Amino acid sequence: QQQVKQSPQSLIVQKGGIPIINCAYENTAFDYFPWYQQFPGKGPALLIAIRPDVSEKKEGRFTISFNKSAKQFSLHIMDSQPGDSATYFCAASSHAPLSGGGADGLTFGKGTHLIIQP
Amino acid sequence: KAGVTQTPRYLIKTRGQQVTLSCSPISGHRSVSWYQQTPGQGLQFLFEYFSETQRNKGNFPGRFSGRQFSNSRSEMNVSTLELGDSALYLCASSSPGSLGDTQYFGPGTRLTVL
Repeated sequence: QQQVKQSPQSLIVQKGGIPIINCAYENTAFDYFPWYQQFPGKGPALLIAIRPDVSEKKEGRFTISFNKSAKQFSLHIMDSQPGDSATYFCAASSHAPLSGGGADGLTFGKGTHLIIQP
Repeated sequence: KAGVTQTPRYLIKTRGQQVTLSCSPISGHRSVSWYQQTPGQGLQFLFEYFSETQRNKGNFPGRFSGRQFSNSRSEMNVSTLELGDSALYLCASSSPGSLGDTQYFGPGTRLTVL
């Protein structure tokens, strides 16, 4: 069962455009939603993260919009550049107490391969 | 601060063998998580260690195991390797007090099983 659905799988945007990547989740216990960026041959790098008590968060050119009632969140990249071309992953986790305590592991979406054309 | 380091970066094994991967977290980070990344299944959580104890576990068979040492370094072991175990294995560390929120990933170990 895929708990975090990400779309689109791939996206091509012209330089300066605003790519938008969407994610939907099912588990209402999720309370932490990060976005990661991954370049070929590298591990994922945290871009920005949000908790469900806010509807929007901006960090530089990256913005997360969060809709708790719809169980959806999205990533917007302002003034996109060719260097933003990478694979983007949304993820979610919960901090509900488990037998061992602590946060459970991140559940990732399948990823979006983004290409920014010059 | 140095980032998360993983060794080796590349590994080739044959079916039936076992393998041990190593991860050194960011200094001061006590939580270490392991993930498997494949083209088909994407990124999947294996397990998390905190203060030398496995705190959380994903849905993987018992052939996948791990441990954490007193200096927070972690190892994961895969026994009786199968072709489907070919993947990028990623380690992530997080800082104490953050509830494991901000996970910082290493570059991964690329395992190929022949």
